[in-house]
Amino acid sequence: AQSVTQPDARVTVSEGASLQLRCKYSYSGTPYLFWYVQYPRQGLQLLLKYYSGDPVVQGVNGFEAEFIKSNSSFHLRKASVHWSDSAVYFCAVRPVNTGNYKYVFGAGTRLKVIA
Amino acid sequence: DPKIIQKPKYLVAVTGSEKILICEQYLGHNAMYWYRQSAKKPLEFMFSYSYQKLMDNQTASSRFQPQSSKKNHLDLQITALKPDDSATYFCASSQDRGGPDTQYFGPGTRLLVL
Repeated sequence: AQSVTQPDARVTVSEGASLQLRCKYSYSGTPYLFWYVQYPRQGLQLLLKYYSGDPVVQGVNGFEAEFIKSNSSFHLRKASVHWSDSAVYFCAVRPVNTGNYKYVFGAGTRLKVIA
Repeated sequence: DPKIIQKPKYLVAVTGSEKILICEQYLGHNAMYWYRQSAKKPLEFMFSYSYQKLMDNQTASSRFQPQSSKKNHLDLQITALKPDDSATYFCASSQDRGGPDTQYFGPGTRLLVL
């Protein structure tokens, strides 16, 4: 069964600093990979997704992620964070072509951007 | 305008009672889902529906019953409520169940069972 690990429950960065949120997955093949963001009292919103091609995918609001198959990782990055990026970020995986359409989410990383 | 409506926003129930959580999507999607998010567990997949047909059920308890009266509706009936059922329940939808389709999430229903 697939699983997702987000090793950092909380991350604090200064506004303007660069950011990396880590995500590692466990799955025998190449899954579909997603990053979602959840703002307070709201549902999840998609930031970006990977399903094939260029391993570096661009998302909304300057976010990008890189799929590294050899490391089973899909880390999220941003060059310069803004205070409005404070939220909870979820990495998710979904198997490809297995008949299993279940999404598996990581526990989430709570990002706090300070002045 | 919100594309996925969940009602109510907040819900307080007593142990043993029954509640129905409402979800309607206006995205024209064919697949709908329910997730649960609690303080103790990460976002947990519960059900998926495709064209009003149950496709995946990851919920061990039969107390949780999804109901789809229309293609764009997927309600969640919870019977014999327990305090452990306290969580935020999210409805989601995607164009289709297969492929890397983006799932769009509703704002959630926050359930508290006393």
